[in-house]
Amino acid sequence: EPEVTQTPSHQVTQMGQEVILRCVPISNHLYFYWYRQILGQKVEFLVSFYNNEISEKSEIFDDQFSVERPDGSNFTLKIRSTKLEDSAMYFCASSDPRGGSNQPQHFGDGTRLSIL
Amino acid sequence: AQSVAQPEDQVNVAEGNPLTVKCTYSVSGNPYLFWYVQYPNRGLQFLLKYITGDNLVKGSYGFEAEFNKSQTSFHLKKPSALVSDSALYFCAVTMYSSASKIIFGSGTRLSIRP
Repeated sequence: EPEVTQTPSHQVTQMGQEVILRCVPISNHLYFYWYRQILGQKVEFLVSFYNNEISEKSEIFDDQFSVERPDGSNFTLKIRSTKLEDSAMYFCASSDPRGGSNQPQHFGDGTRLSIL
Repeated sequence: AQSVAQPEDQVNVAEGNPLTVKCTYSVSGNPYLFWYVQYPNRGLQFLLKYITGDNLVKGSYGFEAEFNKSQTSFHLKKPSALVSDSALYFCAVTMYSSASKIIFGSGTRLSIRP
């Protein structure tokens, strides 16, 4: 079964540095998402992306965050100047609404981001 | 605002016994409801969904969930638990379509003892 893949599995970065988290969504999917899960807390929506633009974003997704689909396969999340509170597990997801509005979102295994 | 509540942080069940993981939701319209499971060091794996139709929906690994509109609940159930069912379970809701952002509950850790 096709999977969403994320790299790296663990990223350690100094506070203030830029970090890019990478995702390869399922190939025929059209909607892409980023979620995060701070240790011990809920999974929170960050942003959704469709047709090369952001379709929805949460209040967490401030000017420090950006997303990009640089080519036909990758979907990236960039944090420009990382803060300690950005430490979390970041999940990428994708979905294919062409199969009907009830198609579920499929998640990758996540990137654990640790800010020192 | 949409929200999902999972009142139990942990559920402990003996192998072979039935299990229930509770979920209630609060939305302003008709919800799309989901259950996801998270195994250690893995992502969220889709289990089942309710969109419309039969209130009892069946999903992966023998799990099922019952949608109850009057009680705004969507409890996850399985008739006979396995040790391998031990994991973190998330109830979730979206509005309008499954392409919308997912609102997750806080998660319930299910522990099945042999």
